[in-house]
Amino acid sequence: AQSVTQLDSQVPVFEEAPVELRCNYSSSVSVYLFWYVQYPNQGLQLLLKYLSGSTLVKSINGFEAEFNKSQTSFHLRKPSVHISDTAEYFCAVSEAPGAGSYQLTFGKGTKLSVIP
Amino acid sequence: DVKVTQSSRYLVKRTGEKVFLECVQDMDHENMFWYRQDPGLGLRLIYFSYDVKMKEKGDIPEGYSVSREKKERFSLILESASTNQTSMYLCASSPPPGASDTDTQYFGPGTRLTVL
Repeated sequence: AQSVTQLDSQVPVFEEAPVELRCNYSSSVSVYLFWYVQYPNQGLQLLLKYLSGSTLVKSINGFEAEFNKSQTSFHLRKPSVHISDTAEYFCAVSEAPGAGSYQLTFGKGTKLSVIP
Repeated sequence: DVKVTQSSRYLVKRTGEKVFLECVQDMDHENMFWYRQDPGLGLRLIYFSYDVKMKEKGDIPEGYSVSREKKERFSLILESASTNQTSMYLCASSPPPGASDTDTQYFGPGTRLTVL
């Protein structure tokens, strides 16, 4: 079984400042790692994912995350945030390769508030 | 684009009522999932389904049942609603193994259920 810990429930940050949202996981097997984002009054959507290969993965809107196997972490970073990044961010893990379902285990979420 | 729709955005029911939450996806996905989302608890898996008429319990199945009579539709049923089932319910689907995005879950907008 896997578990995910998001260390911060809320992160306020000023516009154009950098941000890091922390995620640690626990698993006895190899994993796939994901960050999903939920904008207000919407469902979740995939932001980025690590399956294999390069440990640094990037999204189209400037976020990046680095898989660190020794520290069992997958922290999400952005060098300069925008008001539109205000949302709740969820880290998730699944077994790799999945048993056909790619069942996800989610963290409790981090609410990012960007302050003008 | 993948589209996952849920029958209602907001629903108010009384204790003891039988409640049906419907989810439909239009991408011929085999895997479908029901989660509930509560503040500070993140997403918790209720039930999932790999195929028509097939279902598996998730982490919190008590008080819920599901139905999947057609591939595109996955229903969540609360046999006798209780106040502790007041929550946001999210449906998701994912493609079968072999698809390029088989690891990705696509979410609907959610149904906010209030049980009085």
